[in-house]
Amino acid sequence: DAGVIQSPRHEVTEMGQEVTLRCKPISGHNSLFWYRQTMMRGLELLIYFNNNVPIDDSGMPEDRFSAKMPNASFSTLKIQPSEPRDSAVYFCASSGEGLPNEKLFFGSGTQLSVL
Amino acid sequence: DQQVKQNSPSLSVQEGRISILNCDYTNSMFDYFLWYKKYPAEGPTFLISISSIKDKNEDGRFTVFLNKSAKHLSLHIVPSQPGDSAVYFCAASHLSSNTGKLIFGQGTTLQVKP
Repeated sequence: DAGVIQSPRHEVTEMGQEVTLRCKPISGHNSLFWYRQTMMRGLELLIYFNNNVPIDDSGMPEDRFSAKMPNASFSTLKIQPSEPRDSAVYFCASSGEGLPNEKLFFGSGTQLSVL
Repeated sequence: DQQVKQNSPSLSVQEGRISILNCDYTNSMFDYFLWYKKYPAEGPTFLISISSIKDKNEDGRFTVFLNKSAKHLSLHIVPSQPGDSAVYFCAASHLSSNTGKLIFGQGTTLQVKP
């Protein structure tokens, strides 16, 4: 299996621009998670989906952030408008049926820089 | 509020010696704990886990200890190898909720010197 695939690997944009991050989970996995890594807070859970339905978006920092999962094989995280403080590494992870769901498989991440 | 804390940002040990990484949590509802390892430019990968019904779990050179009364867990690596140099994240979950939702700590960067 190819694992969790994220694109792009790196994104450099200017403040105010829209940014879209993409994720393809492992085939057959029914849960998908978006995390953000910063030095201060480590890995923060932004949102997660179960069977394509958003379950918990309490970690989404502001209305500028939105996430969708139109089907079982694709998810997007969008930031509009982007700000310099959004600069971080964004990870997508997926997990499969059965316990423990907590064994997450992570993608390689998207390094986002907002200038 | 940081529910899972790794108070040591970094740790340096000599090859062959023991590495001990620590983690504290505040939420008594957590009943499943995991350690993930992360190399630069890669995503975290699962390393080892422990359920709250146990106080120790061992997998080769890696052992995780859980002290529920102190809300503390630790990861021991014996013997440490240069390839173990990475960022280690502690994570916790409420397994009974069956959500798969993990709360991670800030991470500890381990450097193993040859």
